[in-house]
Amino acid sequence: GQQLNQSPQSMFIQEGEDVSMNCTSSSIFNTWLWYKQDPGEGPVLLIALYKAGELTSNGRLTAQFGITRKDSFLNISASIPSDVGIYFCVVISSGSARQLTFGSGTQLTVLP
Amino acid sequence: GAGVSQSPSNKVTEKGKDVELRCDPISGHTALYWYRQSLGQGLEFLIYFQGNSAPDKSGLPSDRFSAERTGGSVSTLTIQRTQQEDSAVYLCASSPASGRAGETQYFGPGTRLLVL
Repeated sequence: GQQLNQSPQSMFIQEGEDVSMNCTSSSIFNTWLWYKQDPGEGPVLLIALYKAGELTSNGRLTAQFGITRKDSFLNISASIPSDVGIYFCVVISSGSARQLTFGSGTQLTVLP
Repeated sequence: GAGVSQSPSNKVTEKGKDVELRCDPISGHTALYWYRQSLGQGLEFLIYFQGNSAPDKSGLPSDRFSAERTGGSVSTLTIQRTQQEDSAVYLCASSPASGRAGETQYFGPGTRLLVL
Protein backbone atom coordinates (compact mmCIF):
# COMPACT_ATOMS: atom_id res chain seq x y z
CA GLY A 1 0.00 0.00 0.00
CA GLN A 2 0.89 3.62 -0.03
CA GLN A 3 3.46 4.58 2.55
CA LEU A 4 4.86 7.90 3.61
CA ASN A 5 8.19 8.17 5.36
CA GLN A 6 8.10 11.14 7.69
CA SER A 7 11.06 12.40 9.70
CA PRO A 8 12.05 13.14 12.30
CA GLN A 9 9.74 11.16 14.58
CA SER A 10 10.17 13.70 17.35
CA MET A 11 11.88 17.00 17.97
CA PHE A 12 12.71 18.99 21.09
CA ILE A 13 13.54 22.61 20.33
CA GLN A 14 13.93 25.87 22.19
CA GLU A 15 11.32 28.56 21.81
CA GLY A 16 12.33 30.88 18.99
CA GLU A 17 14.17 28.25 16.97
CA ASP A 18 13.23 27.24 13.46
CA VAL A 19 12.00 23.71 12.72
CA SER A 20 12.08 21.59 9.60
CA MET A 21 10.44 18.26 8.92
CA ASN A 22 9.99 16.28 5.74
CA CYS A 23 8.15 13.48 4.08
CA THR A 24 8.98 11.17 1.19
CA SER A 25 7.09 8.61 -0.78
CA SER A 26 7.95 5.96 -3.33
CA SER A 27 4.84 6.94 -5.30
CA ILE A 28 3.88 10.16 -7.05
CA PHE A 29 1.05 12.19 -5.55
CA ASN A 30 -0.61 15.26 -6.98
CA THR A 31 -1.65 16.76 -3.66
CA TRP A 32 0.35 17.04 -0.45
CA LEU A 33 -1.12 18.33 2.76
CA TRP A 34 0.26 19.14 6.19
CA TYR A 35 -1.99 18.68 9.22
CA LYS A 36 -1.37 19.44 12.88
CA GLN A 37 -2.93 17.52 15.77
CA ASP A 38 -3.11 19.08 19.21
CA PRO A 39 -3.41 16.74 22.20
CA GLY A 40 -6.93 15.35 22.52
CA GLU A 41 -8.08 16.90 19.27
CA GLY A 42 -8.54 15.89 15.66
CA PRO A 43 -6.02 16.98 13.01
CA VAL A 44 -6.38 20.44 11.47
CA LEU A 45 -5.23 21.36 7.98
CA LEU A 46 -2.27 23.78 7.94
CA ILE A 47 -1.18 23.95 4.32
CA ALA A 48 -2.26 22.34 1.05
CA LEU A 49 0.08 21.94 -1.93
CA TYR A 50 -1.31 21.20 -5.39
CA LYS A 51 1.54 21.90 -7.83
CA ALA A 52 4.98 20.32 -8.08
CA GLY A 53 7.63 22.80 -7.00
CA GLU A 54 5.05 24.98 -5.26
CA LEU A 55 6.21 26.87 -2.17
CA THR A 56 3.39 28.02 0.07
CA SER A 57 3.40 30.02 3.29
CA ASN A 58 0.86 30.38 6.06
CA GLY A 59 2.16 32.79 8.67
CA ARG A 60 5.29 31.26 10.20
CA LEU A 61 4.75 28.03 8.27
CA THR A 62 6.28 27.33 4.88
CA ALA A 63 5.80 24.14 2.91
CA GLN A 64 7.09 22.97 -0.44
CA PHE A 65 5.81 20.33 -2.85
CA GLY A 66 8.83 18.52 -4.27
CA ILE A 67 9.48 18.78 -8.00
CA THR A 68 9.41 14.99 -8.31
CA ARG A 69 5.99 14.92 -6.59
CA LYS A 70 7.40 12.35 -4.19
CA ASP A 71 8.31 14.58 -1.27
CA SER A 72 7.43 17.64 0.75
CA PHE A 73 8.86 19.59 3.64
CA LEU A 74 7.39 21.86 6.29
CA ASN A 75 9.31 24.65 8.01
CA ILE A 76 8.19 26.51 11.11
CA SER A 77 10.04 29.70 11.88
CA ALA A 78 10.50 31.32 15.30
CA SER A 79 8.70 28.56 17.18
CA ILE A 80 6.35 29.38 20.04
CA PRO A 81 4.87 27.17 22.78
CA SER A 82 1.56 26.69 20.95
CA ASP A 83 3.42 25.00 18.09
CA VAL A 84 3.55 21.89 20.28
CA GLY A 85 1.71 18.96 18.74
CA ILE A 86 2.00 16.24 16.13
CA TYR A 87 2.54 17.28 12.53
CA PHE A 88 1.44 14.91 9.78
CA CYS A 89 2.25 14.92 6.11
CA VAL A 90 -0.72 13.66 4.18
CA VAL A 91 -1.44 12.67 0.60
CA ILE A 92 -4.73 12.11 -1.11
CA SER A 93 -5.39 8.80 -2.81
CA SER A 94 -6.65 8.73 -6.34
CA GLY A 95 -10.03 7.22 -7.00
CA SER A 96 -13.46 7.88 -5.68
CA ALA A 97 -12.73 7.78 -1.97
CA ARG A 98 -10.29 10.67 -1.92
CA GLN A 99 -9.13 9.23 1.35
CA LEU A 100 -6.22 10.76 3.20
CA THR A 101 -3.07 8.72 3.77
CA PHE A 102 -1.14 9.96 6.78
CA GLY A 103 2.54 9.82 7.55
CA SER A 104 3.54 8.57 10.99
CA GLY A 105 3.86 12.09 12.34
CA THR A 106 6.49 14.34 13.89
CA GLN A 107 5.97 15.05 17.59
CA LEU A 108 7.16 18.60 18.28
CA THR A 109 7.98 19.82 21.78
CA VAL A 110 8.90 23.46 22.30
CA LEU A 111 10.90 24.19 25.42
CA PRO A 112 10.60 27.63 27.05
CA GLY B 1 -20.97 24.82 17.32
CA ALA B 2 -20.32 24.39 13.61
CA GLY B 3 -17.63 21.74 13.88
CA VAL B 4 -17.71 17.95 13.64
CA SER B 5 -18.83 16.38 16.88
CA GLN B 6 -18.32 12.83 18.09
CA SER B 7 -19.72 10.85 20.97
CA PRO B 8 -18.86 9.44 23.34
CA SER B 9 -15.53 11.15 23.99
CA ASN B 10 -14.26 8.07 25.77
CA LYS B 11 -15.49 4.50 25.86
CA VAL B 12 -14.21 1.64 27.99
CA THR B 13 -15.62 -1.77 27.20
CA GLU B 14 -14.95 -5.41 27.85
CA LYS B 15 -13.56 -7.73 25.25
CA GLY B 16 -16.38 -9.34 23.27
CA LYS B 17 -18.91 -6.52 23.72
CA ASP B 18 -20.28 -4.42 20.84
CA VAL B 19 -19.76 -0.65 20.73
CA GLU B 20 -21.33 2.16 18.71
CA LEU B 21 -19.55 5.40 17.97
CA ARG B 22 -21.41 8.41 16.65
CA CYS B 23 -20.38 11.25 14.35
CA ASP B 24 -22.29 14.45 13.58
CA PRO B 25 -20.68 16.08 10.54
CA ILE B 26 -20.71 19.74 9.65
CA SER B 27 -24.10 20.68 8.27
CA GLY B 28 -24.16 20.57 4.48
CA HIS B 29 -21.04 18.45 4.10
CA THR B 30 -21.74 15.57 1.76
CA ALA B 31 -18.61 13.52 2.42
CA LEU B 32 -17.95 11.72 5.70
CA TYR B 33 -14.91 9.67 6.64
CA TRP B 34 -13.95 7.41 9.53
CA TYR B 35 -10.31 6.92 10.54
CA ARG B 36 -8.58 4.99 13.30
CA GLN B 37 -5.49 6.24 15.13
CA SER B 38 -3.52 3.81 17.22
CA LEU B 39 -1.21 5.15 19.91
CA GLY B 40 1.68 7.09 18.42
CA GLN B 41 0.60 6.39 14.86
CA GLY B 42 -0.87 8.28 11.96
CA LEU B 43 -4.47 7.91 10.94
CA GLU B 44 -5.71 4.80 9.13
CA PHE B 45 -8.62 5.18 6.72
CA LEU B 46 -11.64 2.99 7.50
CA ILE B 47 -14.69 4.00 5.45
CA TYR B 48 -16.03 6.85 3.30
CA PHE B 49 -19.55 8.06 2.55
CA GLN B 50 -20.33 10.46 -0.30
CA GLY B 51 -23.90 11.62 -0.67
CA ASN B 52 -26.23 8.77 -1.62
CA SER B 53 -23.51 6.66 -3.22
CA ALA B 54 -22.55 3.26 -1.86
CA PRO B 55 -19.88 3.70 0.82
CA ASP B 56 -16.25 2.82 0.21
CA LYS B 57 -15.54 0.19 2.86
CA SER B 58 -12.08 -0.71 1.62
CA GLY B 59 -10.35 0.33 4.85
CA LEU B 60 -12.44 -1.68 7.31
CA PRO B 61 -10.05 -4.15 9.00
CA SER B 62 -12.54 -6.98 9.50
CA ASP B 63 -16.21 -7.87 9.18
CA ARG B 64 -16.66 -6.95 12.84
CA PHE B 65 -16.55 -3.33 11.71
CA SER B 66 -19.50 -1.66 10.01
CA ALA B 67 -20.82 1.84 9.54
CA GLU B 68 -23.93 3.52 8.34
CA ARG B 69 -24.98 7.04 7.58
CA THR B 70 -28.61 7.91 8.04
CA GLY B 71 -30.26 10.65 6.03
CA GLY B 72 -26.96 11.76 4.62
CA SER B 73 -25.95 13.27 7.94
CA VAL B 74 -25.20 11.43 11.19
CA SER B 75 -23.00 8.34 10.98
CA THR B 76 -22.53 5.43 13.35
CA LEU B 77 -19.48 3.16 13.42
CA THR B 78 -20.19 -0.19 15.03
CA ILE B 79 -17.57 -2.64 16.25
CA GLN B 80 -18.91 -6.07 17.15
CA ARG B 81 -17.24 -8.51 19.52
CA THR B 82 -14.51 -6.01 20.37
CA GLN B 83 -10.92 -7.17 20.73
CA GLN B 84 -8.09 -5.54 22.65
CA GLU B 85 -6.38 -4.57 19.39
CA ASP B 86 -9.44 -2.42 18.58
CA SER B 87 -8.31 0.02 21.27
CA ALA B 88 -7.57 3.29 19.50
CA VAL B 89 -8.90 6.75 18.83
CA TYR B 90 -11.64 6.71 16.19
CA LEU B 91 -11.82 9.98 14.26
CA CYS B 92 -14.57 11.19 12.00
CA ALA B 93 -14.11 13.87 9.34
CA SER B 94 -16.46 15.61 6.96
CA SER B 95 -15.87 17.51 3.77
CA PRO B 96 -17.88 19.64 1.36
CA ALA B 97 -18.73 18.32 -2.11
CA SER B 98 -15.88 16.67 -3.98
CA GLY B 99 -13.35 18.78 -5.82
CA ARG B 100 -10.48 20.86 -4.51
CA ALA B 101 -12.64 22.47 -1.83
CA GLY B 102 -13.76 19.02 -0.85
CA GLU B 103 -10.21 17.94 -0.13
CA THR B 104 -10.16 19.87 3.12
CA GLN B 105 -11.40 17.41 5.70
CA TYR B 106 -12.60 18.74 9.01
CA PHE B 107 -11.99 16.37 11.89
CA GLY B 108 -13.92 15.79 15.07
CA PRO B 109 -12.13 15.36 18.42
CA GLY B 110 -12.37 11.58 18.25
CA THR B 111 -13.66 8.80 20.48
CA ARG B 112 -11.03 7.10 22.61
CA LEU B 113 -11.90 3.41 22.80
CA LEU B 114 -10.29 1.12 25.34
CA VAL B 115 -11.06 -2.58 25.23
CA LEU B 116 -10.15 -4.40 28.42
